[in-house]
Amino acid sequence: SQQGEEDPQALSIQEGENATMNCSYKTSINNLQWYRQNSGRGLVHLILIRSNEREKHSGRLRVTLDTSKKSSSLLITASRAADTASYFCATDVQGAQKLVFGQGTRLTINP
Amino acid sequence: GAVVSQHPSWVICKSGTSVKIECRSLDFQATTMFWYRQFPKQSLMLMATSNEGSKATYEQGVEKDKFLINHASLTLSTLTVTSAHPEDSSFYICSAREAGGRADTQYFGPGTRLTVL
Repeated sequence: SQQGEEDPQALSIQEGENATMNCSYKTSINNLQWYRQNSGRGLVHLILIRSNEREKHSGRLRVTLDTSKKSSSLLITASRAADTASYFCATDVQGAQKLVFGQGTRLTINP
Repeated sequence: GAVVSQHPSWVICKSGTSVKIECRSLDFQATTMFWYRQFPKQSLMLMATSNEGSKATYEQGVEKDKFLINHASLTLSTLTVTSAHPEDSSFYICSAREAGGRADTQYFGPGTRLTVL
């Protein structure tokens, strides 16, 4: 069953702007991961944040995790046309040994 | 880095036929492999978890007799869609967890698009 709720479902912004996507989940987790998927392609792992971490950076990506609110956000700064893709959060659920994916956000960067 | 391949990348078949999809870990041994299904513009839904040498664990609502999973070696898992019907048309993605590697890391294959006519 799906655990993650992501919002917005779709986001369209101009190149150079920042894009923020949010993910909420329901159960206790070991970590939360963000993936990118270009249309019709496989998944690309972006970043992993552990349950005891609050913020993590990787290049133009910034991820936050609030375990008290069971939510995470992914910020992409200075967006580029190549960032156009679907973005999914996935939770590594405690005791389950599997990833549960959110519904995803379709991001479109307009040149 | 760890690479997972899938074969075929796409397949078109007639209704009622069976289709086998292979998932291979190319440069590492995978004790656990996962199979996901993704319908257009939707998220990935976990179908089953397979451990090498043992029976797969299916998620609720997934028919084990229809989606046969075999994980006979540490580098290969197969998913067979038996008696496929148009509603089985989907994007099937596998992932693999490295033996002795970090439990929180899965490496994803590029996916197989199945179209059942």
